[in-house]
Amino acid sequence: LAKTTQPISMDSYEGQEVNITCSHNNIATNDYITWYQQFPSQGPRFIIQGYKTKVTNEVASLFIPADRKSSTLSLPRVSLSDTAVYYCLVGDANFNKFYFGSGTKLNVKP
Amino acid sequence: DAMVIQNPRYQVTQFGKPVTLSCSQTLNHNVMYWYQQKSSQAPKLLFHYYDKDFNNEADTPDNFQSRRPNTSFCFLDIRSPGLGDAAMYLCATSREGGRGYLSGANVLTFGAGSRLTVL
Repeated sequence: LAKTTQPISMDSYEGQEVNITCSHNNIATNDYITWYQQFPSQGPRFIIQGYKTKVTNEVASLFIPADRKSSTLSLPRVSLSDTAVYYCLVGDANFNKFYFGSGTKLNVKP
Repeated sequence: DAMVIQNPRYQVTQFGKPVTLSCSQTLNHNVMYWYQQKSSQAPKLLFHYYDKDFNNEADTPDNFQSRRPNTSFCFLDIRSPGLGDAAMYLCATSREGGRGYLSGANVLTFGAGSRLTVL
């Protein structure tokens, strides 16, 4: 099972770009990398998913190097409402299991 | 909108009094998961169903049981809640779980959670 490691917390200011890196050294060939956002007292919410290289959607970008042992979530021009915990998950292709790492608590300041 | 709905949102029970939490989905997803999330911690996987196939995590206490009577519903039963079981319980679904390595097949969709208080 691929374990993930992320920074425990990060601070940023409104309008800045935030990059959160996750390491997953034991990622398997078939595993996708998925990032979720969680606000207090809510369920996690899907942000973005990728397999390799770069993926971009309307809220974020995901950069994955060729060896896929890490990934970086990029949030452009954060606002106060982006204050949340961000988790990266790597799936277990054989057993349908998804384990959360500790997540990164992002605090956006005015 | 298709979604995952958990009931009740808030549940208060007494020490040792059984409680059942429910989860329903309109996504027609094959896989349903139950996670436990305690304050300031990451969600912890308790078990999941792939269709009717039940998969328990090795460290899930026997006190926790689950039922999936059909594709749409899944229940979490806590037979004798202790103070340490107070937590947010999250239900999630995915179309194919980890077996689906097609993009999007293993994205988790979560409900809003059920917060359990044990007195």
